[in-house]
Amino acid sequence: KNQVEQSPQSLIILEGKNCTLQCNYTVSPFSNLRWYKQDTGRGPVSLTIMTFSENTKSNGRYTATLDADTKQSSLHITASQLSDSASYICVVTYGGATNKLIFGTGTLLAVQP
Amino acid sequence: NAGVMQNPRHLVRRRGQEARLRCSPMKGHSHVYWYRQLPEEGLKFMVYLQKENIIDESGMPKERFSAEFPKEGPSILRIQQVVRGDSAAYFCASSPPGVSEAFFGQGTRLTVV
Repeated sequence: KNQVEQSPQSLIILEGKNCTLQCNYTVSPFSNLRWYKQDTGRGPVSLTIMTFSENTKSNGRYTATLDADTKQSSLHITASQLSDSASYICVVTYGGATNKLIFGTGTLLAVQP
Repeated sequence: NAGVMQNPRHLVRRRGQEARLRCSPMKGHSHVYWYRQLPEEGLKFMVYLQKENIIDESGMPKERFSAEFPKEGPSILRIQQVVRGDSAAYFCASSPPGVSEAFFGQGTRLTVV
């Protein structure tokens, strides 16, 4: 069964600290993996997208890694800011004509001053 | 270039009424996806449409739900005879042909009372 699991479910950190969010997937055939940020009451916004051959990709203070062998990905946030408070969602696309996205349930991050 | 536009942002319906949710994709995007997000859950795929065609509706409930994407105008997700369990956030995403990146709208929050 195609699944995407994320951990932790929620996380509280102090402003300025770093954190790492985890994503494990059992999606086949794999097409690509995305990390989205979803602010409360808003739609998801893409942070990074990685294909099978990419191990790491950065977008400002966000760095995503992908290990296609172990089917794991992580999102590292450096020097967190209050505006980073949001739900971070790991999304895996599997092959086929429909480009279906399999969503994880997200990690709810709260950055406190 | 405006993003994906969904309206209304909030919709309240009494049990048994019909709900119509609209999605205008980004300019140049001919692929539309609808997702449902229940409280405390990840987004779940419902239906994938191209202009005048339903490509994949495997995530749509068999009854009461329908979707269309006409040649002209927005995509419509229609829920007939709504029940309390239909209360959720419904997100629309769009993408251009041949590209798997999907851009999300702000969502429509449906509340059935």
